[in-house]
Amino acid sequence: DVKVTQSSRYLVKRTGEKVFLECVQDMDHENMFWYRQDPGLGLRLIYFSYDVKMKEKGDIPEGYSVSREKKERFSLILESASTNQTSMYLCASAGTGLFRDGNSPLHFGNGTRLTVT
Amino acid sequence: AQKVTQAQTEISVVEKEDVTLDCVYETRDTTYYLFWYKQPPSGELVFLIRRNSFDEQNEISGRYSWNFQKSTSSFNFTITASQVVDSAVYFCALSEADTDKLIFGTGTRLQVFP
Repeated sequence: DVKVTQSSRYLVKRTGEKVFLECVQDMDHENMFWYRQDPGLGLRLIYFSYDVKMKEKGDIPEGYSVSREKKERFSLILESASTNQTSMYLCASAGTGLFRDGNSPLHFGNGTRLTVT
Repeated sequence: AQKVTQAQTEISVVEKEDVTLDCVYETRDTTYYLFWYKQPPSGELVFLIRRNSFDEQNEISGRYSWNFQKSTSSFNFTITASQVVDSAVYFCALSEADTDKLIFGTGTRLQVFP
């Protein structure tokens, strides 16, 4: 079974702090994603990565950056946390072919609930 | 632009009732993929089904069934004889053929009471 592990389940940070959210997958997947989930807004894509050192902006990248130095790890960085970044953050991974071959849907971690005070 | 609408924010049923979760999508592509995910209280999204735009056959998996209607751009999900363990947030999602992004709806929270 694919396992996507997010390092923290709950995190409380102060405004202005630099925050790192870590995600590790154990299935050698090429594709990794960061979403944020907010009530009434569903899941919104922040950034994704096709391969090591590659990244693409999603729909709401402002205020975030990412790092993918190793294939299994995809980090989300909040350079200067703000209260409007309080949210549930979900990491996901998928293998080559992604949605087209139907064999590799997105696999999600349990999420990190971040509170910025 | 692609969009997924789940108009039902929350549904409550009593155990053993049948319940249908609605999903309406918008896309300009002729090739696309539709998905349903379940998010139980533990938080992890669980993949339920994938459908491509050329396959309009309805699918049944145990108590779950899906009705894909291209004419109405809908991909509805029915749970027959609901159980308390079905309580979760359910997300419908869409991906177009030339992208590797999933666009999610806002989710429907289903509560099944004993």
